[in-house]
Amino acid sequence: AQTVTQSQPEMSVQEAETVTLSCTYDTSESDYYLFWYKQPPSRQMILVIRQEAYKQQNATENRFSVNFQKAAKSFSLKISDSQLGDAAMYFCAYLYSGAGSYQLTFGKGTKLSVIP
Amino acid sequence: DTGVSQNPRHKITKRGQNVTFRCDPISEHNRLYWYRQTLGQGPEFLTYFQNEAQLEKSRLLSDRFSAERPKGSFSTLEIQRTEQGDSAMYLCASSLASNQPQHFGDGTRLSIL
Repeated sequence: AQTVTQSQPEMSVQEAETVTLSCTYDTSESDYYLFWYKQPPSRQMILVIRQEAYKQQNATENRFSVNFQKAAKSFSLKISDSQLGDAAMYFCAYLYSGAGSYQLTFGKGTKLSVIP
Repeated sequence: DTGVSQNPRHKITKRGQNVTFRCDPISEHNRLYWYRQTLGQGPEFLTYFQNEAQLEKSRLLSDRFSAERPKGSFSTLEIQRTEQGDSAMYLCASSLASNQPQHFGDGTRLSIL
């Protein structure tokens, strides 16, 4: 069974600074997707960034980028130039990309606070 | 694209009562998922529909839980004889294909008195 581990329950960052959130996962599969989702308080879960395991190049979306280390099964999220609106729970998630895949497996989340 | 819509946003009920939640997915999405999220945890998979067919149910989904998706459009999740342990956020998501990103609704927060 796949597992996703986020070892940092809480993190904080100064506004305009950079922060990195950690995620490790365990799978025996070679083809899969990894995601970071953001869940602001009492608000909808939003997709931040997606990485296909077969791609060596790290995904980037504006101020958000990932460091994907397939051999180490590590998938960290870097947020540059942090803004107050970045404060939220961040969830790392895994999705097997084979036939019949459907189930996202989530980590427990990291609560990010942004200090003005 | 109006997003995934869930109703109600909050539901408070007494233990032993039945409750039903509704999810309206993004219109062109034929995949629909239900997850449950408890405090301090990430969402846990409950069940999955492709069009109107329910293709998978998690072992978390006891006999008291049932989900439907008539005509492959909206979906309902019903919990019969609610228990304290059912208190959670129930999230619905939809996607265009099974390997495409899932888009989530705001969730329905269930509180059992």
